[in-house]
Amino acid sequence: TQLLEQSPQFLSIQEGENLTVYCNSSSVFSSLQWYRQEPGEGPVLLVTVVTGGEVKKLKRLTFQFGDARKDSSLHITAAQTGDTGLYLCAGRTTSGTYKYIFGTGTRLKVLA
Amino acid sequence: NAGVTQTPKFRVLKTGQSMTLLCAQDMNHEYMYWYRQDPGMGLRLIHYSVGEGTTAKGEVPDGYNVSRLKKQNFLLGLESAAPSQTSVYFCASGSPASSYNEQFFGPGTRLTVL
Repeated sequence: TQLLEQSPQFLSIQEGENLTVYCNSSSVFSSLQWYRQEPGEGPVLLVTVVTGGEVKKLKRLTFQFGDARKDSSLHITAAQTGDTGLYLCAGRTTSGTYKYIFGTGTRLKVLA
Repeated sequence: NAGVTQTPKFRVLKTGQSMTLLCAQDMNHEYMYWYRQDPGMGLRLIHYSVGEGTTAKGEVPDGYNVSRLKKQNFLLGLESAAPSQTSVYFCASGSPASSYNEQFFGPGTRLTVL
């Protein structure tokens, strides 16, 4: 069974601080995605990383896929209150179908 | 385009009752998924479908059945609801043609089983 562990589970920081969220597994994934979810809504895709070692930037957000495609990180620079939400990583399994395993989630709260 | 819609939005059931959750997508996506979301556990895949008339089990399929008779609809059934099935249920759709392999999610159905 493929599992994805996210850390930390909860994070409360002041506006302007930097933070990193980690997504780890002992399994290899074909690709890895990061989603953000607001209360009462479904998750929305932020990024997909496919190649081991790949780094993608989305404004103040930097995503990295581990060299072995088993882990990923999300770094936010100068967090804003609008970054508050639940961040989920999701790994696409290597079974050949478009099936995803979601991480346990990181709930981020950015204080003004 | 409405994207992915789910009905109902809220439902309260008594133990042993049955119900069907409906998911509809208007993006002509081949793949559809049903997930449940519980506190501290992220999203767990219940069943999924890679095309009309096909379904497959996910991580937590027990107690649920699904059907995909039409490409745009994916139904999730609970034959005999149990309190352990109290959760928020999300439907998603996606296409292998998408360069980002994105899943588009519905707004969720909050189910309480008493």
